[in-house]
Amino acid sequence: GDSVTQMEGPVTLSEEAFLTINCTYTATGYPSLFWYVQYPGEGLQLLLKATKADDKGSNKGFEATYRKETTSFHLEKGSVQVSDSAVYFCALITDLSGGSNYKLTFGKGTLLTVNP
Amino acid sequence: KAGVTQTPRYLIKTRGQQVTLSCSPISGHRSVSWYQQTPGQGLQFLFEYFSETQRNKGNFPGRFSGRQFSNSRSEMNVSTLELGDSALYLCASCTGTVNTEAFFGQGTRLTVV
Repeated sequence: GDSVTQMEGPVTLSEEAFLTINCTYTATGYPSLFWYVQYPGEGLQLLLKATKADDKGSNKGFEATYRKETTSFHLEKGSVQVSDSAVYFCALITDLSGGSNYKLTFGKGTLLTVNP
Repeated sequence: KAGVTQTPRYLIKTRGQQVTLSCSPISGHRSVSWYQQTPGQGLQFLFEYFSETQRNKGNFPGRFSGRQFSNSRSEMNVSTLELGDSALYLCASCTGTVNTEAFFGQGTRLTVV
């Protein structure tokens, strides 16, 4: 079955540091890939997505590139802020039947803490 | 437009009781899916409904059930609650086609005592 593996952390950085959160996947089909973010006490918000190989998703300074050859979708940001402190989830969806099964498979999540 | 609304936000129940959680999707979204989030297991898929039909179900016991109404609102029910059912239950809605993003509600925090 489908699975997502991401570094579990926690990750603690100083403000303006460079961030990388690794994510690799296994999938039975050709997945679409997502990064979601969860702030304390909140639900999940979509951060970025990529639907085919070599696509780069980007939002709010975060980027991730869909690498089919390495089955990876690593999240990066050049300069983190205190407000980026949250839990980040890598996720995928594989459509095997023309869109009739919408089921996200998530990694375990990575807690990021950014100190001033 | 209004986001995904889950009610109630917090719930405390006793072992053996049953509970019903509600989810109102974004207007126009016909797919609603449910996830259980716990510190140990992370986010696990419960089930997904589209146009009142359950299309997919996760690996949970039969005590977990759901339904979707004609207006796309969805409910999930857990019967004979166990301590291990304590979790954050998240609902997500989307248009129902692949590659579209899912929008999540804030969740219902269920505590079983």
